[in-house]
Order: sequence, then C-alpha cells, then structure tokens
Amino acid sequence: GENVEQHPSTLSVQEGDSAVIKCTYSDSASNYFPWYKQELGKRPQLIIDIRSNVGEKKDQRIAVTLNKTAKHFSLHITETQPEDSAVYFCAASIRNNNNDMRFGAGTRLTVKP
Amino acid sequence: EPEVTQTPSHQVTQMGQEVILRCVPISNHLYFYWYRQILGQKVEFLVSFYNNEISEKSEIFDDQFSVERPDGSNFTLKIRSTKLEDSAMYFCASSRQRSTDTQYFGPGTRLTVL
Repeated sequence: GENVEQHPSTLSVQEGDSAVIKCTYSDSASNYFPWYKQELGKRPQLIIDIRSNVGEKKDQRIAVTLNKTAKHFSLHITETQPEDSAVYFCAASIRNNNNDMRFGAGTRLTVKP
Repeated sequence: EPEVTQTPSHQVTQMGQEVILRCVPISNHLYFYWYRQILGQKVEFLVSFYNNEISEKSEIFDDQFSVERPDGSNFTLKIRSTKLEDSAMYFCASSRQRSTDTQYFGPGTRLTVL
C-alpha cells in the first residue's frame, strides 16, 4: 500500500520567514495530494491540493510543488504569520482505490512573533 | 457553506462496551470515510463507503468495527467491544465524487475508553 513520509516533524520560524514542509510517497499510482492544516483540538482543514497533472499550484501565501519522477511534493508558506502555527499533514490518494487516502505523520509549525 | 457534522463531540465508555459514533455527511456527497487520530499522532484511514457498502478498509478496521448508513443522512461507525487502545479522535469525512475529490472532515468525536 501507499506509504507517505513527511519531514520535518517540527519546524520553528520567525514571523515573515518562509516555511517548507516535504513529503514523499511510495505508490506511483497516487495522483492526488492534499495538504491539511490542523489547529489544536480541531478538525483537519484542507488548505491546498495538487493533482498529478500539475507541477505547481499557488494560493496567495501558500504553494505546493509536485515532482512525480522523484515522488515527492512540498508545501511552501511565505511571509509566515503567527496564525499559521498548527500541525500540517500531507496526504496521498491512490488512484482507482476509492480515495483511500494515506497521511504523513504531520509537521508542527511554530511561527514566532 | 455546508459542513460535515458529528455527534457526540466526546464519548466516554468502559472497556468492552459498544459505542456508535454518528456523522452527517454533506448532503450531495456520495463517498464517506472514517479516520482515526490517536492523540499526538497522524490521521489514519479506517474505511471508505459508497453505495451502501464498504469500498476499502485498512488493516486497523477489523471485525470489531462496522459502518452503516441507516437512513439518507446518517453514517455511523460502531465499535463492538471497545479496548483501551481505541481511545482516539474519530473523524468522519465525505467527498462528492469517487476519484481524487476533496474530502471534507467533520469536527471529530473524542472517544475515551476507561
């Protein structure tokens, strides 16, 4: 089955700096890669996603890149703000497998004011 | 904006008891999921459900677990005989279409097994 690895497990940045979180996946059939933000005690919220026919996607301060050959994808947050502090999960969805989605272990991002 | 809802928000039970966790997916969604998140750990896929049957289940989803869509709106997860290690946050999610469609998560039910 699919295995998703996520690094780093914790990340601390100064407000205004950029943050990058990286994930790798094992199943080349995966074709959907969402990123979720989870604040303490709350549900995971989708912040951005990318499909395998796209190499990069941006939404304001958030961008995701995908390298299908290397089977890795990354989340980039620019101009970080304290409210970006949360746990971020990447996930990969296996094509033709009824959306069986596997999550990475999560990255705890702390943005210091 | 429509949201997935879950009840109860917190369930406390004794080991060996049965629990039923309830979810109301977004109304025009056709695919439903349950996930588990043990405190401080990652979200783990349990099961997906479509057209009144299980589509996919993980190795975690053993015979103690079952899912049901008893009516047109509810989607339930039953744990027959709870164990201490079942203590976790259980998230329901739904998506509109089958393939690689965005899944929307409910607020979760925190299950505590004593």
